[in-house]
Amino acid sequence: NAGVTQTPKFQVLKTGQSMTLQCAQDMNHEYMSWYRQDPGMGLRLIHYSVGAGITDQGEVPNGYNVSRSTTEDFPLRLLSAAPSQTSVYFCASSYGGRGAEQYFGPGTRLTVT
Amino acid sequence: TQLLEQSPQFLSIQEGENLTVYCNSSSVFSSLQWYRQEPGEGPVLLVTVVTGGEVKKLKRLTFQFGDARKDSSLHITAAQPGDTGLYLCAGGPLRYTGNQFYFGTGTSLTVIP
Repeated sequence: NAGVTQTPKFQVLKTGQSMTLQCAQDMNHEYMSWYRQDPGMGLRLIHYSVGAGITDQGEVPNGYNVSRSTTEDFPLRLLSAAPSQTSVYFCASSYGGRGAEQYFGPGTRLTVT
Repeated sequence: TQLLEQSPQFLSIQEGENLTVYCNSSSVFSSLQWYRQEPGEGPVLLVTVVTGGEVKKLKRLTFQFGDARKDSSLHITAAQPGDTGLYLCAGGPLRYTGNQFYFGTGTSLTVIP
């Protein structure tokens, strides 16, 4: 089992460029989510999905897009990168529901210049 | 303003000392979790508490969920250098809204040998 995988591990973008962060899990989890981690702010939820075809916004969704065409994959798209999106991005998956453990990927460190 | 506030934000102690980390909110959560994160990796679950007033012990770590399910604490007895890391609390789902999990602001612990 690979668990939760994320690619790329590092990325540098120029302002205005777009890109997709990839996330995949092989645990057949229904619930997947994307977080960003900034110093002193813990993890903030960007978007999440409770199953294939169903997505919803989290705390900080602006500037990001998601889709969930399969149970395994949950890509995060940056539409037009801004310096404020410089952060470490984590993808997580779980069975969902009350108290379910979230399994995290290794993260993608993104710098926007 | 984040839903879950942790204190202190930074903690540096000598090996063998005791410490307590607090996680507070004005919202009621169905469950509360504590994660630990090592540099360059994703968070890993330590414990989940679901009942108000619940106390769980994991070796030298004691976790408590507040009676009103709005706050939690993590107490470490006789800290060791291996306890060094970022400790994050996470609450969710909220009583009347969806499936979102919210993370705290984090406590960075350094245990000096």
